[in-house]
Amino acid sequence: EIVLTQSPGTLSLSPGERATLSCRASQSVGSSYLAWYHQKPGLAPRLLIYGASSRATGIPDRFSGSGSGTDFTLTISRLEPEDFAVYYCQQYGDSPPTFGQGTKLEIK
Amino acid sequence: EVQLVESGGGLVQPGGSLRLSCAASGFTFSIYWMHWVRQAPGGGLVWVSRINGDGSSTAYADSAKGRFTISRDNAKNTLYLQMNSLRAEDTAVYYCARDPAPAHWFDRWGQGTLVTVSS
Repeated sequence: EIVLTQSPGTLSLSPGERATLSCRASQSVGSSYLAWYHQKPGLAPRLLIYGASSRATGIPDRFSGSGSGTDFTLTISRLEPEDFAVYYCQQYGDSPPTFGQGTKLEIK
Repeated sequence: EVQLVESGGGLVQPGGSLRLSCAASGFTFSIYWMHWVRQAPGGGLVWVSRINGDGSSTAYADSAKGRFTISRDNAKNTLYLQMNSLRAEDTAVYYCARDPAPAHWFDRWGQGTLVTVSS
């Protein structure tokens, strides 16, 4: 199965700053078979990005995704207080679908 | 409004069984593939199983094969996960999730139900 490695494990930033989260796959997941979610404590994950770069319904445009093959990036242009959460990438180019271990985005 | 509401979790002894349910509303349930994804306490997300719209095709993670059975009742707009021969390592919050494509990504999630396997 494809292993996804997210970096950094923890990212400490302040509101208003730019966040860049990385997701690297152990083998190619295809051109765009990658999704991003965030999860706040005690809540279910929420879809942010699918197809590597398409924003899900209702997701603000400060969130953007890029990449292909084995290297993908989620960028949050200006952090809002509600953006501090754990972020997961997920590949669906191969079976079984797999998730990264998560990046915790915390307030500095 | 799309809603997915899981139920059926609880404390069960190793080797025991449990059936989870996921009640869907706010969308045409029968045309969507549906999945179960679990999350161990303090852990990450792990895909468990999926079923197609009419229930004729299923797939499982290796950890679930032979022990778990996914099914659905489209007349009741409900997804199920029958879990047998439960192990301590099955302890997790179990989420049902909707697949909009179908392509094994998830645009709506339930709130989850906690399964604890312990003696």
